[in-house]
Amino acid sequence: KNEVEQSPQNLTAQEGEFITINCSYSVGISALHWLQQHPGGGIVSLFMLSSGKKKHGRLIATINIQEKHSSLHITASHPRDSAVYICAARISSGSARQLTFGSGTQLTVLP
Amino acid sequence: GAGVSQSPSNKVTEKGKDVELRCDPISGHTALYWYRQSLGQGLEFLIYFQGNSAPDKSGLPSDRFSAERTGGSVSTLTIQRTQQEDSAVYLCASSSNAQLNTEAFFGQGTRLTVV
Repeated sequence: KNEVEQSPQNLTAQEGEFITINCSYSVGISALHWLQQHPGGGIVSLFMLSSGKKKHGRLIATINIQEKHSSLHITASHPRDSAVYICAARISSGSARQLTFGSGTQLTVLP
Repeated sequence: GAGVSQSPSNKVTEKGKDVELRCDPISGHTALYWYRQSLGQGLEFLIYFQGNSAPDKSGLPSDRFSAERTGGSVSTLTIQRTQQEDSAVYLCASSSNAQLNTEAFFGQGTRLTVV
């Protein structure tokens, strides 16, 4: 079982819809990142959070430490939001300092 | 530059040849990471550098892979005797301090194709 799991794997939405992508993890973490990867491979860091909620434009990220769960929400979705969204956890145990990645969610927003 | 810079952006090489991939981290960032993303797969950790400490090489898939970080700045990932399964996007990231909850900034990646 992966330490970081995302759902859904694929998501197709109509322009304007509210979108939620979920990430759950099974180990203790010190921080969780949400990343966006566009076709061509480039990755942009959207959020890093360790508690509560963060908002940037139409994007909102929340994390519930007790439930080991985080969500990324996109309001008023647009075709340019189409990308792969990846959650990545910084595991807090042992000497692991690298990020552990979820498998990603392919989002397609149709006009 | 303002962000993490990787070069080349694309590399096509023949099986058996050696390749070098370069990463210029954000100035002042002490932590540098290399990841690999094979087609249809998630991101896979390869190696991590933190300041002058010995690198964490636990993710390197074979002894054909090696990486250096000179002067605590630029890093080079070398793949010797490339195989077709090495084809992937190789991503570099840096952060100001891996000990703290600091944000990681990613480069655009190098797409390696071994033919």
